[in-house]
Amino acid sequence: NAGVTQTPKFQVLKTGQSMTLQCAQDMNHNSMYWYRQDPGMGLRLIYYSASEGTTDKGEVPNGYNVSRLNKREFSLRLESAAPSQTSVYFCASTPVYYGYTFGSGTRLTVV
Amino acid sequence: AQSVTQLDSQVPVFEEAPVELRCNYSSSVSVYLFWYVQYPNQGLQLLLKYLSGSTLVKGINGFEAEFNKSQTSFHLRKPSVHISDTAEYFCAVSESGGGADGLTFGKGTHLIIQP
Repeated sequence: NAGVTQTPKFQVLKTGQSMTLQCAQDMNHNSMYWYRQDPGMGLRLIYYSASEGTTDKGEVPNGYNVSRLNKREFSLRLESAAPSQTSVYFCASTPVYYGYTFGSGTRLTVV
Repeated sequence: AQSVTQLDSQVPVFEEAPVELRCNYSSSVSVYLFWYVQYPNQGLQLLLKYLSGSTLVKGINGFEAEFNKSQTSFHLRKPSVHISDTAEYFCAVSESGGGADGLTFGKGTHLIIQP
């Protein structure tokens, strides 16, 4: 089925470990996004990529890096995980004009 | 900078009763407005969106919303709710054409349907 696929769905990390969250879309969308969701905070934008080859910081970029590998894939990397990064992470994509599609999320716990 | 305020963190409603979830936004320019629904342990699904034109917007699952520019509001309504409407609802705004720089979300309203 067409959509946004995120892997893994669940992950537990120790403080200081690194990991990459993967996101891929098969809808030929130009723009892709990473959000984090925390209780009572809504969704906050971490990074976005308006088109292949470009990335920009969102509201809460500290502690994260991203790579827009090609038009389909947009990965989020935690170089040295901290407990404050415990969250649910959502990837989303959209074509040129509004039509955001969200993935099902990655639930990350940092202990 | 744009911002979104969802005035109620929780709204309990009896089944088959009407409901209104409130959303106010702050922006210095024209905006594009959205409502998303999130069922437990799932991603976000678009309910409806206002880009331009008619201020009354109809969405999926019987929901509708009205854009009020003078009151900077975009309240979500449903005339008769069902148990299956229990979920978290998010209002979101974007100032940019095309939405390439992402959406700004409110903190969410948990709709609780009581039998």
